[in-house]
Amino acid sequence: AQKITQTQPGMFVQEKEAVTLDCTYDTSDPSYGLFWYKQPSSGEMIFLIYQGSYDQQNATEGRYSLNFQKARKSANLVISASQLGDSAMYFCAMREASYGGSQGNLIFGKGTKLSVKP
Amino acid sequence: ETGVTQSPTHLIKTRGQQVTLRCSSQSGHNTVSWYQQALGQGPQFIFQYYREEENGRGNFPPRFSGLQFPNYSSELNVNALELDDSALYLCASSTTTRDFKETQYFGPGTRLLVL
Repeated sequence: AQKITQTQPGMFVQEKEAVTLDCTYDTSDPSYGLFWYKQPSSGEMIFLIYQGSYDQQNATEGRYSLNFQKARKSANLVISASQLGDSAMYFCAMREASYGGSQGNLIFGKGTKLSVKP
Repeated sequence: ETGVTQSPTHLIKTRGQQVTLRCSSQSGHNTVSWYQQALGQGPQFIFQYYREEENGRGNFPPRFSGLQFPNYSSELNVNALELDDSALYLCASSTTTRDFKETQYFGPGTRLLVL
């Protein structure tokens, strides 16, 4: 079963507007971390923001915030005041506390391509 | 920039050949994870090294192997290359393998093309 689902293959947003990128996840582990990464065309994965399963408040990092709804198992990324440089692929990822045979690995979704229009 | 470097940036090989990819971790990080990212997909976990020992492995065959050195740099070796091995290979470093909150920092990747 897919653990991370990103249902938006591509999104467009006007410069200076806000945009929400969707992410739902599936786990039976009560302890887990959720991560968002940005991948420009150059290929490097750039860490944006982290949310822990026990965190009471939604995470924020500058223009990035995470809308964490634990009961719905969703962790949507909100980018405020979009900039042209925000155009990239965005990946949601999860790490579970009980790693099993793949200790420490991140499980990624298929990503959303964000295009910011001037 | 994360301080994680990878070499080479691009590589072209033919089917059946062997390849070695290299990664230098961010200073202070003792854990390296390798991921394969096929075109249009999210990264898939290959394996992780912690203090020079393999610490977990994803669903990849034994022809994918690795090493971690005392300075925490790392190699990914792939034998008997197949066309489907064409992908972006990413390494990520972090400070510990025990904490699910630990952030992994990625390098720029190596683009491998198998002909």
